[in-house]
Amino acid sequence: KQEVTQIPAALSVPEGENLVLNCSFTDSAIYNLQWFRQDPGKGLTSLLLIQSSQREQTSGRLNASLDKSSGRSTLYIAASQPGDSATYLCAVRGYGNKLVFGAGTILRVKS
Amino acid sequence: EPEVTQTPSHQVTQMGQEVILRCVPISNHLYFYWYRQILGQKVEFLVSFYNNEISEKSEIFDDQFSVERPDGSNFTLKIRSTKLEDSAMYFCASSPGQVFSYEQYFGPGTRLTVT
Repeated sequence: KQEVTQIPAALSVPEGENLVLNCSFTDSAIYNLQWFRQDPGKGLTSLLLIQSSQREQTSGRLNASLDKSSGRSTLYIAASQPGDSATYLCAVRGYGNKLVFGAGTILRVKS
Repeated sequence: EPEVTQTPSHQVTQMGQEVILRCVPISNHLYFYWYRQILGQKVEFLVSFYNNEISEKSEIFDDQFSVERPDGSNFTLKIRSTKLEDSAMYFCASSPGQVFSYEQYFGPGTRLTVT
């Protein structure tokens, strides 16, 4: 059974810092991995999708990497801003249709 | 940009009542999903739906739950005889097709409160 773990559970940084969020998964047989952002009480906004054959994806200040063999992904946020404050969720898609989610990292960027 | 929509945004119901949560997936998408998130817990998969039938379901998705695509645009989740533990945020999602590499797009969610 796939398990997804995210570290750290919470992170507080001053504005302008670069930061890394970590995601690990137990079963490396995945089709893809998605990173989401969730604001309090709100829905899930997809940030990046990495296919199993890819090593990384970039969107603006966000860069996500994937090491499928070791069961790890990182989300790098450059030059963080207060508007980046949210919960960041990692989810993997294995055989079948479902996404398996981690518990998330709560990010607070202080101005 | 096309998006998944859900109604209502918040539903309050009494224990034992039936509720129907509604979703309008992105128009040319073929796969539809329901997930839920109990407060403070992980997002959990409930069910996926393709070609007018369930393609996968979790252990949570028991006889209390059912899904339907009543017309060409809506996708519904029905919960019969709600329990207190059904209180959660319910998310609908859709993806373009059967290829597993496709991204899933999520709606804003319906917060269900069972009293």
